[in-house]
Amino acid sequence: DIVMTQPPLSSPVTLGQPASISCRSSQSLVHSDGNTYLSWFQQRPGQPLRLLISKISNRFSGVPNRFSGSGAGTDFTLKISRVEAEDVGVYYCMQATQFPRTFGQGTKVEIK
Amino acid sequence: QVRLQQWGAGLLTPSETLSLTCAVYGGSLSGYYWSWIRQPPGKGLEWIGETSHIGRTNYNPSLKSRVTISIDTSKNQFSLKLSAVTAADTAVYYCARGSTMVTSYDYWGQGTLVPVSS
Repeated sequence: DIVMTQPPLSSPVTLGQPASISCRSSQSLVHSDGNTYLSWFQQRPGQPLRLLISKISNRFSGVPNRFSGSGAGTDFTLKISRVEAEDVGVYYCMQATQFPRTFGQGTKVEIK
Repeated sequence: QVRLQQWGAGLLTPSETLSLTCAVYGGSLSGYYWSWIRQPPGKGLEWIGETSHIGRTNYNPSLKSRVTISIDTSKNQFSLKLSAVTAADTAVYYCARGSTMVTSYDYWGQGTLVPVSS
């Protein structure tokens, strides 16, 4: 299985300031079709996951443009350009390049 | 707007079979993969498996011997059965839609906590 590694906590961030979350995979996520199937999800307390980003950098419908994704190969980053109070929660990366799909352990975003 | 609504039995005792169903509203089952993902309390997410609308399945090898995911297109529903549960299967279970457009899970059920305890 591909192991996805995320730091458990991001540094507390001030409202309006940027935040960055990293995700590393144990092997390259480049699929044989040339795409890289790395997604990011947000989980607010008591809520199911919400898809934010797919294929490294494609924002899902309705996701604010303050969220952006980048990276390649085995190293990926989710950035929030200006953190808002509603962004508090846990963020997960997930790979869909291979079966079984695997998730990172999640990174908690807190407000300073 | 697509909505997934899930339900199933609550508290289980070890060795019983977990059974959950997810109904899909506002969209067709065709063209998507219908998945189950679980999250033990305070822990990370584990992909259980998926089925296509024609019943083609993929399972996590770690659970494959105990898992059955099935689909009922006449009811626009899909289901999860996990046999011989233990306390380690205690988790919130989510159903989700896998979209080939985004190759990810774009709509999720609300989650169902299934405790397993003697």
